[in-house]
Amino acid sequence: DGGITQSPKYLFRKEGQNVTLSCEQNLNHDAMYWYRQDPGQGLRLIYYSQIVNDFQKGDIAEGYSVSREKKESFPLTVTSAQKNPTAFYLCASSTPGLAAYNEQFFGPGTRLTVL
Amino acid sequence: ILNVEQSPQSLHVQEGDSTNFTCSFPSSNFYALHWYRWETAKSPEALFVMTLNGDEKKKGRISATLNTKEGYSYLYIKGSQPEDSATYLCAEPVAPGTASKLTFGTGTRLQVTL
Repeated sequence: DGGITQSPKYLFRKEGQNVTLSCEQNLNHDAMYWYRQDPGQGLRLIYYSQIVNDFQKGDIAEGYSVSREKKESFPLTVTSAQKNPTAFYLCASSTPGLAAYNEQFFGPGTRLTVL
Repeated sequence: ILNVEQSPQSLHVQEGDSTNFTCSFPSSNFYALHWYRWETAKSPEALFVMTLNGDEKKKGRISATLNTKEGYSYLYIKGSQPEDSATYLCAEPVAPGTASKLTFGTGTRLQVTL
């Protein structure tokens, strides 16, 4: 089955620690995205990547880092610099071409809680 | 950052009722309008991507219309069923590039009861 997997589903970390969220897709999509959801807010874009070895900051990139070494994988690191890391994180991908016209496919999400 | 707004924030209807909700977006530099359905404990799934003014798309009992001149889209559900219970998100791309920065609204949460 083609799709996007995120792991883990729930993640707890101590304040001051970095943590990496996994996102893998086998849809052969070029573009991948990371979003964050907080209560009462829409999904907000953290980082996105158009192709391997390329990524761009989204609207709320501070305190996060990403890498795109493989087409299938787009891990997100939440660093200790992120002031409010507790949130629900969604990874997505989209087909090649003009992405504005292409739907995004989402993973199941990771809920990160900082203790 | 684009300002995409959805109303109402939540909606509670009975099985069999028809319902609709609104997505408002800036009408300048329009590229497309996306609708997604997000059921609890599942991943958001695309319903429609609409691009042309006057577009009307349909998937089963769900349909959507688009007015790019005035900057709104309506999502209609005919004869709501409990399985329609979900949060419905709309989103507008910032630019048409090869990776699309989508700006999402906060969603309309629909609950359908028996």
